[in-house]
Amino acid sequence: ETGVTQTPRHLVMGMTNKKSLKCEQHLGHNAMYWYKQSAKKPLELMFVYNFKEQTENNSVPSRFSPECPNSSHLFLHLHTLQPEDSALYLCASSQVGTLASSSYEQYFGPGTRLTVT
Amino acid sequence: AQKVTQAQTEISVVEKEDVTLDCVYETRDTTYYLFWYKQPPSGELVFLIRRNSFDEQNEISGRYSWNFQKSTSSFNFTITASQVVDSAVYFCALLRGATNKLIFGTGTLLAVQP
Repeated sequence: ETGVTQTPRHLVMGMTNKKSLKCEQHLGHNAMYWYKQSAKKPLELMFVYNFKEQTENNSVPSRFSPECPNSSHLFLHLHTLQPEDSALYLCASSQVGTLASSSYEQYFGPGTRLTVT
Repeated sequence: AQKVTQAQTEISVVEKEDVTLDCVYETRDTTYYLFWYKQPPSGELVFLIRRNSFDEQNEISGRYSWNFQKSTSSFNFTITASQVVDSAVYFCALLRGATNKLIFGTGTLLAVQP
C-alpha cells in the first residue's frame, strides 16, 4: 500500500457527461500530480501542484480541470471528453522543498481506468 | 533535452533466469535523479529505487540490483532468479535536480513464464 488512494477505480462516461476523479494522499507530502497513461505511449505529466498551487499545466486541453483544495486532496474534473481521452489516469504525490528535505520519489495511486464512449 | 530510453519493449524469460532491463538517459544537468518503478497488471506504479547523480555505487536489494554508470549514461536493473510475480511493466525515470517533473521511459514489459 503506497498511501495514495484514487476513486473511482473504473469510470465509463459519455462525451457529454461531467465527472470528477478524486485522489487523496496520506503521506504528508506537499506536492501532487496527475498523469495520463495511454496504450503504447509514455506516461504523460498533466498537472503539478506544489503547496496547493498549480505550477505545471502540460498543454492539457481545457476539458480537464484540476482542483487542489488542500495538500492531501487532488481532483480532476472532466467534461465533454473525447474517445481519445480514454486512458489510465494516475495520481502521485511527493515531498519537495530544499535539497535536504526533498525525497523526490513520487508515490502513485492505483489509477482510474477511464473509458469515454 | 531530457530523455529516457528503454530500448527493450518486451522481454520473456523462464522462471529462475536472470534478466537485465536496460535504461539509457540524456541530460545536461549535473544534478539529477534516476528511478525505477514497477507497474503490475493492477496498474499502480510501485517505487523501487532512487539514485542521485553523485552516487554511482551499485545497489543490491534481495534479488534486485542496479548498475549506475555515468560514463555510459545508463542505469540498468537486474533481477536474479526471476519469479512469476516479477511479471510487470518496468519504467525508468529521470528527474532534474530542483524540479519535480519526472520524465519516464516507455517501459519494458517483463513476462516471467513458470
